[in-house]
Amino acid sequence: AQSVAQPEDQVNVAEGNPLTVKCTYSVSGNPYLFWYVQYPNRGLQFLLKYITGDNLVKGSYGFEAEFNKSQTSFHLKKPSALVSDSALYFCAVRAYGGATNKLIFGTGTLLAVQP
Amino acid sequence: DSGVTQTPKHLITATGQRVTLRCSPRSGDLSVYWYQQSLDQGLQFLIQYYNGEERAKGNILERFSAQQFPDLHSELNLSSLELGDSALYFCASSVGGLGYEQYFGPGTRLTVT
Repeated sequence: AQSVAQPEDQVNVAEGNPLTVKCTYSVSGNPYLFWYVQYPNRGLQFLLKYITGDNLVKGSYGFEAEFNKSQTSFHLKKPSALVSDSALYFCAVRAYGGATNKLIFGTGTLLAVQP
Repeated sequence: DSGVTQTPKHLITATGQRVTLRCSPRSGDLSVYWYQQSLDQGLQFLIQYYNGEERAKGNILERFSAQQFPDLHSELNLSSLELGDSALYFCASSVGGLGYEQYFGPGTRLTVT
């Protein structure tokens, strides 16, 4: 079955330290991968995507993600965390199925950045 | 502000009732998606429309239906409501299909009592 997994419910990091939010996927065909962020009482906001090309993708707010085909991973990273980065982060992958093509979202990882 | 608008913001209704949620996509976007977000189910894709036609279907119940109108706004109809339908319902839009980033509205919080 096609799926996406975010193994950590929560990630805690001190402000100024690097952060990583993990995502692994399983799809048939070439993956389309996305990261979205959700702040409290708001809709999701697009951060970045990988379709093809360079394995390191740069996105909004200083975030980047590395596509690793052999490990089927697409981890989200930032060199220096800010308190304002605290939010819920979702990884998503396009699942193939003809009329049922859709985005599958992970369960989300809550990022808490301590001052 | 994503440019996607949803009304109403909050909706409280009783079991067995029917409600309609409305979404206006960003200007220029042809695709509209509906999602349901709840604590136990997470974020679930319901249905996608592209330029007025149904393009993809996800975990949408038969009691739920949607449509996209010629002006590209969309409505999600939920009928015979049950307590378990209480959730946050998001609409998102994109220029094209699933390879494009989606822009999410602020959501409609539905409470079924």
